[in-house]
Amino acid sequence: GAVVSQHPSWVICKSGTSVKIECRSLDFQATTMFWYRQFPKQSLMLMATSNEGSKATYEQGVEKDKFLINHASLTLSTLTVTSAHPEDSSFYICSARELETYGYTFGSGTRLTVV
Amino acid sequence: DAKTTQPPSMDCAEGRAANLPCNHSTISGNEYVYWYRQIHSQGPQYIIHGLKNNETNEMASLIITEDRKSSTLILPHATLRDTAVYYCIVRVPMEYGNKLVFGAGTILRVKS
Repeated sequence: GAVVSQHPSWVICKSGTSVKIECRSLDFQATTMFWYRQFPKQSLMLMATSNEGSKATYEQGVEKDKFLINHASLTLSTLTVTSAHPEDSSFYICSARELETYGYTFGSGTRLTVV
Repeated sequence: DAKTTQPPSMDCAEGRAANLPCNHSTISGNEYVYWYRQIHSQGPQYIIHGLKNNETNEMASLIITEDRKSSTLILPHATLRDTAVYYCIVRVPMEYGNKLVFGAGTILRVKS
């Protein structure tokens, strides 16, 4: 079946630095990828939708200058958390929609801890 | 905002069927219902989806009421490994395509 690889699986960074998270669709093309954030004991919250070759669409309340999204190819989207603060510590999960089947496959998530 | 409501938790005996309800009373005619589950600290796993008709696959069955305002996910023979958070999701349209907006989910505990 469709596989989405997310890297890294966990990262610790210092306050004020930037962190990049990669999301790759391994065996299918994804015109659309989604980025979610999940705090402990909460549900997934959609942050933004990225379409290959165009600007990302951010959900209300999500700072686009802080969470930079790039979807440069049909198999890769990246999320960069800029000037990270401890409150950005969370579980970040990407999802890719398969072009042909319209199925939504999720990555395994990235645990970000900002110290 | 999520368009679904689910009970916060349920228990099920191992080997028995687990029936997880979901209300989506504001669903529109062309919006699909998806079910995913999430085991602790992992990404959500696809289970099943449907529009109007009942659906079955190797994992589960999805029963959608005729008015489409609610649905039930059925795990026919629950095992301990089915313990997870189960999310009922209505796929909502956006300017280009659709997106999955998660609700709170149901914590299913399968007990021996």
